[in-house]
Amino acid sequence: QKEVEQDPGPLSVPEGAIVSLNCTYSNSAFQYFMWYRQYSRKGPELLMYTYSSGNKEDGRFTAQVDKSSKYISLFIRDSQPSDSATYLCAIFDSWGKLQFGAGTQVVVTP
Amino acid sequence: DSGVTQTPKHLITATGQRVTLRCSPRSGDLSVYWYQQSLDQGLQFLIHYYNGEERAKGNILERFSAQQFPDLHSELNLSSLELGDSALYFCASSGSGVGDEQFFGPGTRLTVL
Repeated sequence: QKEVEQDPGPLSVPEGAIVSLNCTYSNSAFQYFMWYRQYSRKGPELLMYTYSSGNKEDGRFTAQVDKSSKYISLFIRDSQPSDSATYLCAIFDSWGKLQFGAGTQVVVTP
Repeated sequence: DSGVTQTPKHLITATGQRVTLRCSPRSGDLSVYWYQQSLDQGLQFLIHYYNGEERAKGNILERFSAQQFPDLHSELNLSSLELGDSALYFCASSGSGVGDEQFFGPGTRLTVL
């Protein structure tokens, strides 16, 4: 079983809709949670970085962590075609290694 | 632009060959990480170097090796290449280490024929 599970999608939404992405993880000791965005054939870029349970907002992006359920989420409001990309959740494991989810491909249609 | 550079962008080679991938971290970053991204395995951590010393190993094959030089650039050496080694190889850098944000380079696409 992978330490971080993420549905690979694809997830298709109309422009302006809310995109909802999530991951589950196995180890309750994990404390650092990230969301990366990766455009086709490009390197991942960090979108959100959270250290604890609760919500963190940055513009149209909201990251949510529920440590009791070992569940993390990313919400994108007012989605745009330029948001079409693969979104990867990532978590630092107990040995300081970054464990990535499989990535969810998001397609925002005009 | 993350500030991390990787060369070459593309590499096409044959099975059994050896290649070297190069990475220059962001200015001031001491840590370099290597990742492999393939369609079936996703983004997998390979190895982490901090200021010239190996700090952590992930799912790195014995045919693969890496090093970080005094100027902090890093090289990933892949030998006895197999078809299954075809993938995107990313380098990332961060300031000091565990918990720091990692900045990814543009990647090197390796195709083994």
